[in-house]
Formats: sequence, structure tokens, C-alpha cells
Amino acid sequence: DVKVTQSSRYLVKRTGEKVFLECVQDMDHENMFWYRQDPGLGLRLIYFSYDVKMKEKGDIPEGYSVSREKKERFSLILESASTNQTSMYLCASSAFREGPVNEQFFGPGTRLTVL
Amino acid sequence: AQTVTQSQPEMSVQEAETVTLSCTYDTSENNYYLFWYKQPPSRQMILVIRQEAYKQQNATENRFSVNFQKAAKSFSLKISDSQLGDTAMYFCAFMKDSNYQLIWGAGTKLIIKP
Repeated sequence: DVKVTQSSRYLVKRTGEKVFLECVQDMDHENMFWYRQDPGLGLRLIYFSYDVKMKEKGDIPEGYSVSREKKERFSLILESASTNQTSMYLCASSAFREGPVNEQFFGPGTRLTVL
Repeated sequence: AQTVTQSQPEMSVQEAETVTLSCTYDTSENNYYLFWYKQPPSRQMILVIRQEAYKQQNATENRFSVNFQKAAKSFSLKISDSQLGDTAMYFCAFMKDSNYQLIWGAGTKLIIKP
């Protein structure tokens, strides 16, 4: 059974703290993604990675960074958390394949509150 | 830039009824993919159905089917014989042929009433 796990379901942090969100997939997928989900806005891509140590900016990378040192793990880092980063964060992964596109598999999400 | 619009923020129907969720998109691409994802309350996002733009036949997965109108840039999801477990947020998403990034609609909250 395919699985994407995220380190926390709920997280409360203070403004200015450095925050790490971890995501691990066990499907040997090449591609991994970080989204934030806000009501009325759908999902917005923060960063994605198509290989170890590779990363690409998504639509809203400001205030975030990522790290992918191992194929199965993709970390999202909030260098200095701010209240406008309070949101649901979703991690996803997909396989690289030429031809018909693959679906993305999602983790359960981390609801981050920044006070 | 591509955009995806879901014009129905919330819908509710009685169990066993048929419901159709709307999605329109804007693109100048000719080859692309369209998806419907489902996010049940407090549960993970899962794929419901996908459609390749080069295929004229509408995709079907059991009780779920799509009405893909390429010229109109419309991609609606029909759920037949709706069940309580269909209660969820439904997101429409678009992917260009050339990359792996999904462009998402704002979502439709679907409530199935007993």
C-alpha cells in the first residue's frame, strides 16, 4: 500500500521560529511536492523536487525553503515563521514516467498555526 | 498562464441522487491532463478520475464520470447514486503535458445528506 507520511498533523509555533515540516514517501517516487491549502484558494505549489538535491520554485516560494538529501524525504523549512504562514501544508509524491502522467499521492497534511 | 475555476463553493444533495460538479479551465496548450481529486474530512487527498485531453472518450470510474468538452474548456464530474462517503472537498486540477505541476481549482464542498 502506497504511503506518504508527514511528521506532524498539528503544529503550533511562535512568530520568528524556524519550522521544519518533514515528508517521507515509501514508493521510490522521483517527484515530491509541497503545497499549502487555504480555504477558497485551493492548493498552491510552494516547491517541488524531481530528484535528490534538486528543487524548483513553485508559485509561492517566498518565506520557504526545501531540502531533499534522500530520495524518500522532502523537507519544507520556514526560516522565520510569520502569522500569514498559518495554513494546511500538504506533501505529495509522484513517479517519473514518460508517457501518460501519473497521479500524485498525498500525505495527511500538517495544520500549522503561527501565533 | 493556466487557470482552473470551480464556480460552486458548496453543494448538497440527498443520498442516492446524481450530482454534477463544474470545472472550467483556461489554457492555450493542446496536450494536457485533467484530474478530479477528493479530500474527505480529516483524510488524505485521493485521485478520483483523470482525463487525457487527446482522448475524446470521457473517463469513467464506477459511479464517477466526467463530461469533457475540450472546445468549451469544461471538465465536469458526475457522481451517480451518491453515497454518504462521497461527502468531501472535490478539487479539479490541470497539468500541462510538459511538466508535473498541477494547477488547482478552489474546490467544491460536497455534502451528501441521508
